[in-house]
Amino acid sequence: DVKVTQSSRYLVKRTGEKVFLECVQDMDHENMFWYRQDPGLGLRLIYFSYDVKMKEKGDIPEGYSVSREKKERFSLILESASTNQTSMYLCASSFRADNEQFFGPGTRLTVL
Amino acid sequence: QKEVEQNSGPLSVPEGAIASLNCTYSDRVSQSFFWYRQYSGKSPELIMSIYSNGDKEDGRFTAQLNKASQYVSLLIRDSQPSDSATYLCAVFSGYSSASKIIFGSGTRLSIRP
Repeated sequence: DVKVTQSSRYLVKRTGEKVFLECVQDMDHENMFWYRQDPGLGLRLIYFSYDVKMKEKGDIPEGYSVSREKKERFSLILESASTNQTSMYLCASSFRADNEQFFGPGTRLTVL
Repeated sequence: QKEVEQNSGPLSVPEGAIASLNCTYSDRVSQSFFWYRQYSGKSPELIMSIYSNGDKEDGRFTAQLNKASQYVSLLIRDSQPSDSATYLCAVFSGYSSASKIIFGSGTRLSIRP
């Protein structure tokens, strides 16, 4: 079974803090994704990566950056957290771009 | 027009009945289609993938794909209270490096005892 893990289930940070969210997958998947999910807005793609050290902007990249130094690990960085970044953050991975994505358990981030 | 559209619901179905969830998509060249289930506060979990026209069955779930009409549906037979969740339709569009899976906003399903 594919396993995608995320570093924290719940996280509380203060405005202006730098926040790191980490995601690890154990199935040698090429593609990894970061989404945020907010009530009424559905899943929105922040960034994705189709290879080590490669990254592509999704639909809402502003205020975020990513890092993929190893194939199994994809990190989302909030350089200076703001209250409007309070959300559920979901990481996913897939073998190919047109394959099903498998999601991690999510990190519920609250920025005060 | 949204790229992947679903009725937000809630769809209320009596226990034991068939629940029918529908999804339409706008990109005619879409090739891969997925259904996910998401319980409140949890992450989406894959139920089924479908790539060819027709029906695909897995236990109580049947996915139906009609590329000519650009819709994909999910039928849940013998609905159980544990099926109460939000169901997300997802469609892969295109084959460029910027291609990605597009998710619908989901249909909330409620199974009443």
